[in-house]
Parts: sequence; structure tokens; C-alpha cells
Amino acid sequence: AQSVSQHNHHVILSEAASLELGCNYSYGGTVNLFWYVQYPGQHLQLLLKYFSGDPLVKGIKGFEAEFIKSKFSFNLRKPSVQWSDTAEYFCAAYHGSSNTGKLIFGQGTTLQVKP
Amino acid sequence: NAGVTQTPKFRILKIGQSMTLQCTQDMNHNYMYWYRQDPGMGLKLIYYSVGAGITDKGEVPNGYNVSRSTTEDFPLRLELAAPSQTSVYFCASSYPGTSGLDEQFFGPGTRLTVL
Repeated sequence: AQSVSQHNHHVILSEAASLELGCNYSYGGTVNLFWYVQYPGQHLQLLLKYFSGDPLVKGIKGFEAEFIKSKFSFNLRKPSVQWSDTAEYFCAAYHGSSNTGKLIFGQGTTLQVKP
Repeated sequence: NAGVTQTPKFRILKIGQSMTLQCTQDMNHNYMYWYRQDPGMGLKLIYYSVGAGITDKGEVPNGYNVSRSTTEDFPLRLELAAPSQTSVYFCASSYPGTSGLDEQFFGPGTRLTVL
């Protein structure tokens, strides 16, 4: 079965620290990849997405992610986190052979940034 | 555009009661989805629809029903509420672009408690 795995369930960082959240997907074919963020009490918002082309994708709020096909990975990074980045982060994948538009979500990573 | 709207925001049900969670989008998106979010479990797809009159089961459909009579609306029905259905429910919509699937837009969620 197709799956998305996020290895870090809970991450605690101090402000200005660098962030990397891991995401691996299981499907070997065409895949579209997304990172969503959910701030406390809010709905999910798109951070960035990858469909094709440059494997280094830049998103909003200084976030970026790198698609490494050989590792089936799409890790999220930010050079310097802020307290306002405290949120839950979800990696998601859409497998290109599907015509249903069904996204597969990872379990989520809770990021806590200490001021 | 209001995007994706959901009502109600909060609801407490007694075991065995029924209710309908409403979802409306004004972006003319073909695809709509219902997810439930439980702590540490990410988002699980309940039902989805690729257009008016077409619905299909997702990963966790038991205990729920949906209908899609219009492009805009995608209500989720709980017939006999059970404590296991205590969760946060998110509705989402998307438009299948040339790359197969673009981002999903999420509503603000409905927090449901079944006692």
C-alpha cells in the first residue's frame, strides 16, 4: 500500500536553530509532493509543493524542501526557525497514476519552538 | 472567495444521535474530500468525490455517508454516533490541473465529541 512516513513525531527547537523534518514516500512512479502546516487551532495551509523540475522547492515563510528521488524523500528545511513556526507539519503525496486526487498524508510532526 | 467553509465549528453528540457536517466551497472545484484528524494519526480520508453525483469511499468510511448533489456542497452524515467518531473533521477541495492534482484547500474544521 502507498504510504508516507514522517520520522520525527515531536521536535523541540530554540529560536534561530535550523530545522529539518524528514518525509519518505513509498511509491516509485510519478509523484506530486506537498508540505502542509497547521498552526494551533487553524486549518491546514500549503507550505510548498513539488510536481517536477528543480528538486529544490521554495515555499512560504522561508521554508524549502528537497526532492531526492533515489531516496524517496522530500525533507522540509528552514535555516532559522521562529517562535511563530510552532505548528504541526504534514507531508503528503499524490501518486500520479491515480485519477482520484487522493492525497496520502504522513502522521504529522509537531514542532515546538522555544523563544 | 470564501474558500472552503464548514459548519458547525463544534458539536457534542450523545451516542446514537445523528448529524450532518456541512461543507461548501466556492472555487468551482471538482474534487472534494472529508478527512478526520486524530492526535498522532495524521489525516485519514473518509470519503471523496470527483464531481457532482460521484462519491467513493476513502480509508475509514465506516459509520459515515456522503452525497454530492452540487459542485459546491459535500455534506458528511453520521447516522449513529459512537465515541470512536470523536475527532476533528476537515473538508477539502481541489481542482485536477494538468499535473494531475494541485493542492487541496482545507476548511476550518469541525470538532466533534461523542459522549
